[in-house]
Amino acid sequence: ILNVEQSPQSLHVQEGDSTNFTCSFPSSNFYALHWYRWETAKSPEALFVMTLNGDEKKKGRISATLNTKEGYSYLYIKGSQPEDSATYLCASKDDKIIFGKGTRLHILP
Amino acid sequence: DGGITQSPKYLFRKEGQNVTLSCEQNLNHDAMYWYRQDPGQGLRLIYYSQIVNDFQKGDIAEGYSVSREKKESFPLTVTSAQKNPTAFYLCASSPTGISNQPQHFGDGTRLSIL
Repeated sequence: ILNVEQSPQSLHVQEGDSTNFTCSFPSSNFYALHWYRWETAKSPEALFVMTLNGDEKKKGRISATLNTKEGYSYLYIKGSQPEDSATYLCASKDDKIIFGKGTRLHILP
Repeated sequence: DGGITQSPKYLFRKEGQNVTLSCEQNLNHDAMYWYRQDPGQGLRLIYYSQIVNDFQKGDIAEGYSVSREKKESFPLTVTSAQKNPTAFYLCASSPTGISNQPQHFGDGTRLSIL
């Protein structure tokens, strides 16, 4: 079974600051890496799906990179806003999808 | 609007009873999934189905059963054999089971034992 690790577990960031966090996954038999944003009282929402080593994806102020050889992905948020407060989940897929425990992001006004 | 509907939002069960959680999608997706979340844990896969009338066990299938008689429906039954059923349950779907397609999630059902 894959072990997907996310760090940090929790993060407090001042509004307007930029931040990033990490998802680590076993690099063998890799198929895809998913990022989701999960706001309180809502359902998880897909941000990115990446498959190729070196992939970079961007959605507004949020971007992600992928390194399949060393088994990690970074999620970056530029100029944090209150609406960015959420838990960010990553998931790696070989024959099944395995989720990390998430990074809980709190934006401080 | 297209989406995934889980019902009920909260569910209470007496010990020894089976209970069924509903998941319906109108996205015309082939693949559907059930996850369980416990405090401090990531989402763990219970069962998944890539096509009607077919499903596979995930990592924690013991004490659960599913059916996939219709494309839009993937109900999960928590049986009395599940020793620790109190948890938050999430249903998801994707167009197919191919790994590069994102999953769409419902709002979840919180199950508690009385």
